[in-house]
This record gives sequence, structure tokens and C-alpha cells, in this order.
Amino acid sequence: DAGVTQSPTHLIKTRGQQVTLRCSPKSGHDTVSWYQQALGQGPQFIFQYYEEEERQRGNFPDRFSGHQFPNYSSELNVNALLLGDSALYLCASSSGLRANTEAFFGQGTRLTVV
Amino acid sequence: QKEVEQNSGPLSVPEGAIASLNCTYSDRGSQSFFWYRQYSGKSPELIMFIYSNGDKEDGRFTAQLNKASQYVSLLIRDSQPSDSATYLCAVNPTNTGNQFYFGTGTSLTVIP
Repeated sequence: DAGVTQSPTHLIKTRGQQVTLRCSPKSGHDTVSWYQQALGQGPQFIFQYYEEEERQRGNFPDRFSGHQFPNYSSELNVNALLLGDSALYLCASSSGLRANTEAFFGQGTRLTVV
Repeated sequence: QKEVEQNSGPLSVPEGAIASLNCTYSDRGSQSFFWYRQYSGKSPELIMFIYSNGDKEDGRFTAQLNKASQYVSLLIRDSQPSDSATYLCAVNPTNTGNQFYFGTGTSLTVIP
């Protein structure tokens, strides 16, 4: 049973470029949440997708956008990259939208913006 | 405000001792609480979750929740060097579905 998988594992981009990160949720899960974790900080919620729609969004600019596909996999897109976007991007997989639901993280994508 | 506070540490305990990790949260209506372990350079790994006041035990780990005091803790008994990691407290506040707010984490070192 595959867990949460993310790709790529590492990425280096230049300021102003655009990047797409990918996530496949754990088998049986239909909800994908994206988090950004800066060095030395806890993960910060970016947004959440369920039934191919963005359901919740954290305090991130519109440069951050996403998509969910019919097979529940998801993409995170970041436009006009800034140096401050350098972080570990985590995808969390869960079932449904209700509270009291466990979430499992993928291995993350380490994005470096130079 | 939906803040989650943890002491950043570092917390050092000798092998075999009990490690106590603490977390406070600001949203009184928060419903569920999770502890994740994160090794350096890796992603968070779910250790335990707790929804009701009181204690919940799973092997060497015990989560304690006191909603009146807005306080959740994690005890690690018989600490091992492999427990050395950063421990993240995550809270699921009111009306946020299953969105998590995380603390900054407590760094634990278990000394052999």
C-alpha cells in the first residue's frame, strides 16, 4: 500500500520562475492539503483540495495555486518565485473534510529559489 | 488567532528517562490534537492523536489533553537515542475542517 508520494524531491529555481509540485495521496484518501515549512518553523497551511475544488486556504498570496485531479492527486503551482519561497513543501493526505481526521505527510519537496 | 505554542528547546534527556513535551493552543474550540515527529531533513511522521480530555497511551508514548487549560503534552517513556528528533504539535481548530495549525516544534536529544 503506497503512502503519500511527492515529486520531485528537490528542485532549484531562479527568482521569477514558475514551479509545479505534485502529490499522490495515500490509497483510500481523497483529500490533499499543502503545507510550506520554512527552516526551523512548523508547517504552514497553504490550501486544501477535496472533490477537485479548493476548500480551505491559508494566508498565502494568489501566486500559490493548485489543482486536484479525478484520481485525487494534486498539484501545487507557484508563480513569480521569490527567494522567500525557498522551503520544504509538504503534501498531507486525509479522508474527507471533517475534523478529527488523521493526516499523513509525503516526503516533501525541497524547493530552493536562487 | 489560532496559535500553537511550543518550547523550541533543545530538550536533552538521558537514555531511559521520560521526555515531556508541552504544547498550548489559543483556540478554545479546538477539537483534535496531533503529535508528529520530524527527523532532520525528513517529513513529519504521525505519532499520536487525541480528541478527548485525559490520557491516551500507545506503547512508550502518552498524550495528555486538558481542554480547560488549553494544554496538550506528549510523554515519551524509556527514551531512546532514536527518539532524537523535532516534535511538532498540531491542532485542528474550530470550523477549519481538517486543517492543522502547527507549533514550531521542540527539539529533543536523547543522550546515550
